[in-house]
Amino acid sequence: DVKVTQSSRYLVKRTGEKVFLECVQDMDHENMFWYRQDPGLGLRLIYFSYDVKMKEKGDIPEGYSVSREKKERFSLILESASTNQTSMYLCASRGRNQQYSPLHFGNGTRLTVT
Amino acid sequence: AQSVTQLDSQVPVFEEAPVELRCNYSSSVSVYLFWYVQYPNQGLQLLLKYLSGSTLVKGINGFEAEFNKSQTSFHLRKPSVHISDTAEYFCAVSALNRDDKIIFGKGTRLHILP
Repeated sequence: DVKVTQSSRYLVKRTGEKVFLECVQDMDHENMFWYRQDPGLGLRLIYFSYDVKMKEKGDIPEGYSVSREKKERFSLILESASTNQTSMYLCASRGRNQQYSPLHFGNGTRLTVT
Repeated sequence: AQSVTQLDSQVPVFEEAPVELRCNYSSSVSVYLFWYVQYPNQGLQLLLKYLSGSTLVKGINGFEAEFNKSQTSFHLRKPSVHISDTAEYFCAVSALNRDDKIIFGKGTRLHILP
């Protein structure tokens, strides 16, 4: 069974800090995603990566960057955290050209920026 | 472009009563359709999916959904809900021709009343 692991369930950071959210998947998936989930707004795509060192901006990339140095690991970086980045962050993965397959999600990281 | 509309943000229903969660979509390309469930403090997991063939699809935990092409709908139903069905439900479409185009609805929170 596919497992997507997010390293932290809860994080509390201060405004201006650099924040790293880590995600690891164990099914050799090419595609990995970072979403942000806010009440009433559903899931919004921040960044998408389709291979090592390859990335594309999603719908709300401002204030975020990503890193994919290894196939199994996809990191989301908040260069200078702000209070409006307080949210639930979800990582997901899926194989290449498998649009018929569901996304496999981690359990999420709830980030609070004070 | 694709869009997904979940018409109800919250649905209260008594235990053992039937429930329908509505989902309508629009798309300029062919899509696959998914319903995901998110239990409190967890990531999303697949409930069911429609790829092709029979328009009535069955998923886990007694849920089913019907694809209606003419109405561009994919409503989720369960004949008798249980307290354990308390969760948020997301409808999603995945474009056939793009790995990154997965659009989620804003979610419907299902409240089970005793």
